[in-house]
Amino acid sequence: QVTLKESGPALVKPTETLTLTCTVSGLSLSSARMGVSWIRQPPGKALEWLAHIFSTDEKSYNTSLKSRLTISKDTSKSQVVLTMTNMDPVDTATYYCTRSPANIAVAGPHYDSWGQGILVTVSS
Amino acid sequence: QSVLTQPPSASGTPGQRVTISCSGSSSNIGKNYIYWYQQFPGTAPKLLIYRNSVRPSGVPDRFSGSKSGTSASLAISGLRSEDEAVYYCTTWDESLSGPVFGGGTKLTVL
Repeated sequence: QVTLKESGPALVKPTETLTLTCTVSGLSLSSARMGVSWIRQPPGKALEWLAHIFSTDEKSYNTSLKSRLTISKDTSKSQVVLTMTNMDPVDTATYYCTRSPANIAVAGPHYDSWGQGILVTVSS
Repeated sequence: QSVLTQPPSASGTPGQRVTISCSGSSSNIGKNYIYWYQQFPGTAPKLLIYRNSVRPSGVPDRFSGSKSGTSASLAISGLRSEDEAVYYCTTWDESLSGPVFGGGTKLTVL
């Protein structure tokens, strides 16, 4: 069973850079069936996909946020890191990391495991 | 404004059958599999249906999914109080080169 846990700051100031870490257990990030996406959800609003990284290190980004996002992984630490620059109050949301058993660009948004989420508030 | 369109709310009484629609376009639903997620307040979403109509292990067969053209539906039969949740549809969008979600449908069991 794959489990994921998000960690990072609960509060960031406007213009700062957010760095979130997803720690994965139960399956190696180098496994052929291992992809990780970040998805966020503003309070009371819908889900929004942010970025994805697959076991091959292939990456994809939400086109509207691409200039602000970077996703990377450290297989030895079983961690996937998302950075988002120039944070704004509209970026206040719960950020989830999720596991996909295939590259979502091929198989679609199949997320069979989710972290508990981390609420990030952007405020001065 | 979500790329996929869902009704904001739906309701039914225990035992009834309800359907939740998800409308898209030829660049998303028309070309790709649809997925459905169920979310209870304060918790992470859970995969409910994948590849249009497949239920993961553990999901009751009261839940079923279908797709036709650029629209999809989630049906819940034998409605139960514990089905009260928000349901999201999602699929890959060719034009945006990424997944897109519906705005979510809050299901109320009367």
